[in-house]
Amino acid sequence: EPEVTQTPSHQVTQMGQEVILRCVPISNHLYFYWYRQILGQKVEFLVSFYNNEISEKSEIFDDQFSVERPDGSNFTLKIRSTKLEDSAMYFCASIGGAGGTDTQYFGPGTRLTVL
Amino acid sequence: AQTVTQSQPEMSVQEAETVTLSCTYDTSESDYYLFWYKQPPSRQMILVIRQEAYKQQNATENRFSVNFQKAAKSFSLKISDSQLGDAAMYFCAYRVSGTYKYIFGTGTRLKVLA
Repeated sequence: EPEVTQTPSHQVTQMGQEVILRCVPISNHLYFYWYRQILGQKVEFLVSFYNNEISEKSEIFDDQFSVERPDGSNFTLKIRSTKLEDSAMYFCASIGGAGGTDTQYFGPGTRLTVL
Repeated sequence: AQTVTQSQPEMSVQEAETVTLSCTYDTSESDYYLFWYKQPPSRQMILVIRQEAYKQQNATENRFSVNFQKAAKSFSLKISDSQLGDAAMYFCAYRVSGTYKYIFGTGTRLKVLA
């Protein structure tokens, strides 16, 4: 069964450094998402991406964040200057067809630790 | 504001018994989708079941079923014949039709007792 993959599984970085989290969505999917889950808390929507542009973003997704689909298969989340509070699990998800009927398939997540 | 509330932080059930997890939501929209996701210790989110708001019939998937009460804005998950592998965090989620943003509840941790 096709699945969403994410790399790395765990990323440790120093405060102020840039990080790039990578995701490979399911190959024929069209809609892509990033979510964040701080330990023990709820899953928070960050951004959705369709047709090579951001379709919606949350208040969390400020100028420090950016997303990109550089090569038609990868979907990346970049945090320019990490803060301690960026430490969380980051999940990528994708949807296949028209967003009104399909459901999200989540990747296994990347645990980001900012020191 | 659209919100999803899960009032049970933790639930326990004996193996082979039935358990119901509660979820309520607040919206002024009429066309939307509701989901239950399972997050086992591995942390990967797995879709359990989904419900379209325009459908009156409650969704079922094997041992999992929902009780969707649109007027009450309630969307509970029933797990029958609970198994040890059902132990996980369960998240209720909501999305308005035609939008891309999903809103999740805070989760209910389900423990299954042998």
